[in-house]
Amino acid sequence: GAGVSQSPSNKVTEKGKDVELRCDPISGHTALYWYRQSLGQGLEFLIYFQGNSAPDKSGLPSDRFSAERTGGSVSTLTIQRTQQEDSAVYLCATREGNTGELFFGEGSRLTVL
Amino acid sequence: AQSVTQLDSHVSVSEGTPVLLRCNYSSSYSPSLFWYVQHPNKGLQLLLKYTSAATLVKGINGFEAEFKKSETSFHLTKPSAHMSDAAEYFCVVSARGSQGNLIFGKGTKLSVKP
Repeated sequence: GAGVSQSPSNKVTEKGKDVELRCDPISGHTALYWYRQSLGQGLEFLIYFQGNSAPDKSGLPSDRFSAERTGGSVSTLTIQRTQQEDSAVYLCATREGNTGELFFGEGSRLTVL
Repeated sequence: AQSVTQLDSHVSVSEGTPVLLRCNYSSSYSPSLFWYVQHPNKGLQLLLKYTSAATLVKGINGFEAEFKKSETSFHLTKPSAHMSDAAEYFCVVSARGSQGNLIFGKGTKLSVKP
């Protein structure tokens, strides 16, 4: 596609429910990143994919968080048993290869009630 | 180890006055450096990037940054602030290491007063 697409743009869920956030990268971009941005905070690194593998998942906050990428393309970030502190904007970014600029999606705003 | 420090969490300027957002980096290798801007409720957009060509880099919307190896700095400047420049700005270093080779600064919020 023309840009990085994220869905849903907004998600409101109840505490304890599972949520899935989706990222459609720019075609051909091999590197894909997930970040979390809480209100008034900077970007918190979550996980990085190179192709379908995740060389660095050190930023995932707990085992309730997982992510996968299939076909070197779409990625999903799954949060199980959501907690209120999971409320944030989840940003996906992709880049061609391992250099060059990042292209960001507009984010998925998650609100856990 | 690589790191990036944005020296000011918040900068406030008057419209029409110069903007200076400071960024210092630490890297064992020749880094690539980027500035991104995030307007409220929007995704991040690339302003400019340095990739070992000219040390003075010009970006969009009249912004520029100068790579100074001796000072390990990559400060972002603009001669005359506009109201539409009010946003959050992130300095990013790309170097070998973890996190997919990207290290983000904590951001500087720029306010522009009329």
